[in-house]
Amino acid sequence: AQTVTQSQPEMSVQEAETVTLSCTYDTSESDYYLFWYKQPPSRQMILVIRQEAYKQQNATENRFSVNFQKAAKSFSLKISDSQLGDAAMYFCAFNEKLTFGTGTRLTIIP
Amino acid sequence: DAGITQSPRHKVTETGTPVTLRCHQTENHRYMYWYRQDPGHGLRLIHYSYGVKDTDKGEVSDGYSVSRSKTEDFLLTLESATSSQTSVYFCAISESSKYTGELFFGEGSRLTVL
Repeated sequence: AQTVTQSQPEMSVQEAETVTLSCTYDTSESDYYLFWYKQPPSRQMILVIRQEAYKQQNATENRFSVNFQKAAKSFSLKISDSQLGDAAMYFCAFNEKLTFGTGTRLTIIP
Repeated sequence: DAGITQSPRHKVTETGTPVTLRCHQTENHRYMYWYRQDPGHGLRLIHYSYGVKDTDKGEVSDGYSVSRSKTEDFLLTLESATSSQTSVYFCAISESSKYTGELFFGEGSRLTVL
């Protein structure tokens, strides 16, 4: 059964603007990990950011940050100051059964 | 970059033939995984390994088998390939627990079953 949902198959953003990709998940566990992976056209999967559920503070990595809402089981990725190199498929992943969402294709408009 | 090599990178085969994909790592990581990627499905876990000769099934294991006789090699075998197994296959490795560790991925193997 699918436990990770990415409801936006495609998103686009103007270069230098901010975009938010959404992800929801389902679990009965209280401690777990969530991840965002990026897959550029080269097909190589790269970890963008990781969030530990027991940490209340949202993870941040340079221009990438998450909005983790544990009660709502929501884990969105915010990309600030979007750059052309951010164009890729973005996958939300949940450590239970190592499950990935279906992905969001992000296009950067110059 | 993590040292992960998948072979072959591209393969075209016919229905009913056996196929083996190889994943080789030079990182000495304990955990290894095989995923398949299909449009509209994202990545789905086929099998994973948590040590030499220790493997377990993932979400879509039917029609696939795996073996891990050495730390560095994880083989995925399609005993009798079907057209539904046309996909891009990714190997991944992780050093720490499968639940907490970052996954490092290979470059993928594109398999076409005619």
